[in-house]
Amino acid sequence: AQRVTQPEKLLSVFKGAPVELKCNYSYSGSPELFWYVQYSRQRLQLLLRHISRESIKGFTADLNKGETSFHLKKPFAQEEDSAMYYCALSSNAGNNRKLIWGLGTSLAVNP
Amino acid sequence: ETGVTQSPTHLIKTRGQQVTLRCSSQSGHNTVSWYQQALGQGPQFIFQYYREEENGRGNFPPRFSGLQFPNYSSELNVNALELDDSALYLCASSFYLGSDTGELFFGEGSRLTVL
Repeated sequence: AQRVTQPEKLLSVFKGAPVELKCNYSYSGSPELFWYVQYSRQRLQLLLRHISRESIKGFTADLNKGETSFHLKKPFAQEEDSAMYYCALSSNAGNNRKLIWGLGTSLAVNP
Repeated sequence: ETGVTQSPTHLIKTRGQQVTLRCSSQSGHNTVSWYQQALGQGPQFIFQYYREEENGRGNFPPRFSGLQFPNYSSELNVNALELDDSALYLCASSFYLGSDTGELFFGEGSRLTVL
């Protein structure tokens, strides 16, 4: 079964501390993975996708096929990083590309 | 560039009623996806529309139906509302070209409460 697991509902860190939001997936095939973020009172937006291998707002995520993980990391958290983070997996069936989402992790960065 | 807009933002219905939610896709996009997000959950895929046809469907009953119009805007219709239909309904548009749907751009959602 295709599934995305984010084991932490809430993660609280202090400003300047490293942060890692965990994401594990189950997918038979070549996965395409994303991190979406929702800041307070804003809409869901793409943070990064694994195929682009970019660093956005200091965040990176590496796809580890052996561990079926796509953890989101940032070496030094900032207060403005406080938000809800969702890991999502693109499931392809023909030209239908639906996203399968985790439950989300709420990140709180404390001053 | 106009973003994805959804209407209404909030609405309250009673069990058994029908509801229509609307979505205007972002300029230049040709694909619309609808997601249901219950409280404390991640979004769940309902269906996707491309070129005015349903192009994939999640695990939702037939009373969830939709339309896409020539201008790529879309509607989500839910008949015979049930209490469990209470959720935030998200519309996302994207540009599909070949094998890459591209980034999803979300609206702010329509919050439906069924009493």
